Amino acid sequence: DVKVTQSSRYLVKRTGEKVFLECVQDMDHENMFWYRQDPGLGLRLIYFSYDVKMKEKGDIPEGYSVSREKKERFSLILESASTNQTSMYLCASSLSWSNYGYTFGSGTRLTVV
Amino acid sequence: DQQVKQNSPSLSVQEGRISILNCDYTNSMFDYFLWYKKYPAEGPTFLISISSIKDKNEDGRFTVFLNKSAKHLSLHIVPSQPGDSAVYFCAAHNTGTASKLTFGTGTRLQVTL
Repeated sequence: DVKVTQSSRYLVKRTGEKVFLECVQDMDHENMFWYRQDPGLGLRLIYFSYDVKMKEKGDIPEGYSVSREKKERFSLILESASTNQTSMYLCASSLSWSNYGYTFGSGTRLTVV
Repeated sequence: DQQVKQNSPSLSVQEGRISILNCDYTNSMFDYFLWYKKYPAEGPTFLISISSIKDKNEDGRFTVFLNKSAKHLSLHIVPSQPGDSAVYFCAAHNTGTASKLTFGTGTRLQVTL
């Protein structure tokens, strides 16, 4: 089974801090995604990547950036954390361009105080 | 602009009965639809999918129906079991946009004894 591992289950950060959320997948998937989940809003796409060093903005990229230096690792960066970025962050991967089945990580619950 | 909508935030069903979860979409370019199931503190897991060229797909207790003219899909669970209690997300793929998915807001299903 493909595994998608998110480095932290819970994080508490202060407003203005730079925050790194890490995600690693172990099955050579080409595509990786970062979503956030908020009550009443479902899952919203922040950024995604089709290949190493490639990145594309999703629906809500403001305040975020990403890094994909290696195929298996996709990092989400909050440049200056704000309280409205308190959320559940979910990383996912999929095999290829034409494969729509995602494997998700367990999520990181981030609280910005 | 919510292109995938799940208008029922919650649903309660008795064990053994049928659960019907609904999803509406607005984008006629969606060509593939998926359902994911999410337990608390876990990432979503893939449940069942359907291509836009079909109107029904069945997998054990789970059946997904697609009505393209109404831009509506539904997930039927028969019979419902307590372990089915979770949040269910429908998701849609837009043809030509790689494997990026647009998710709905989710429906929390509670199966009672």
